[in-house]
Amino acid sequence: DTGVSQDPRHKITKRGQNVTFRCDPISEHNRLYWYRQTLGQGPEFLTYFQNEAQLEKSRLLSDRFSAERPKGSFSTLEIQRTEQGDSAMYLCASSLDRGFYNEQFFGPGTRLTVL
Amino acid sequence: DQQVKQNSPSLSVQEGRISILNCDYTNSMFDYFLWYKKYPAEGPTFLISISSIKDKNEDGRFTVFLNKSAKHLSLHIVPSQPGDSAVYFCAASGLTQGGSEKLVFGKGTKLTVNP
Repeated sequence: DTGVSQDPRHKITKRGQNVTFRCDPISEHNRLYWYRQTLGQGPEFLTYFQNEAQLEKSRLLSDRFSAERPKGSFSTLEIQRTEQGDSAMYLCASSLDRGFYNEQFFGPGTRLTVL
Repeated sequence: DQQVKQNSPSLSVQEGRISILNCDYTNSMFDYFLWYKKYPAEGPTFLISISSIKDKNEDGRFTVFLNKSAKHLSLHIVPSQPGDSAVYFCAASGLTQGGSEKLVFGKGTKLTVNP
């Protein structure tokens, strides 16, 4: 399967704990995005990587959030000192830069529940 | 401030008839528009897209229409099938300072196709 994969699919944690999610994009895709989706809303942009460089971050991404893409392949998203408001579906998407108008392909998401 | 709006939370149609899903946007900098389909517990699946230089794009049973002057787009599904039942998200993008093509999503429309 050559689609975007995410791990874990589900994560339940207690408030104050740290969590880390992993995303493996489609292999030749150089662009990688993280989004967050809460109930009844569409996905909201969190951050963007081109290869290993993090080029854009949303204001939604507080200091407790950090994302990396160390070798320009897989990416991790870490949330420190989780809060109940962090409960959401975290989605990763990737695309190939062919110039303008590049479709993004999404992974299945990681559902985070903070108790 | 919702830059992409899907004003119908739900739509129900009979199998074989046309489904029309609507989307409005406010940001005139958007120049690329996409429709995604989402089943529960899965990530969004790319369906069809259109750039601002076109007013129509067709792919099999799916056609997207763009009216730039009205800042409105619509997705037509003909004929509708029960397997089309899902949540449909409209998304828009425009090149940002960081060079990303981050997507701005609407809240989605839940389509139910009745046999």
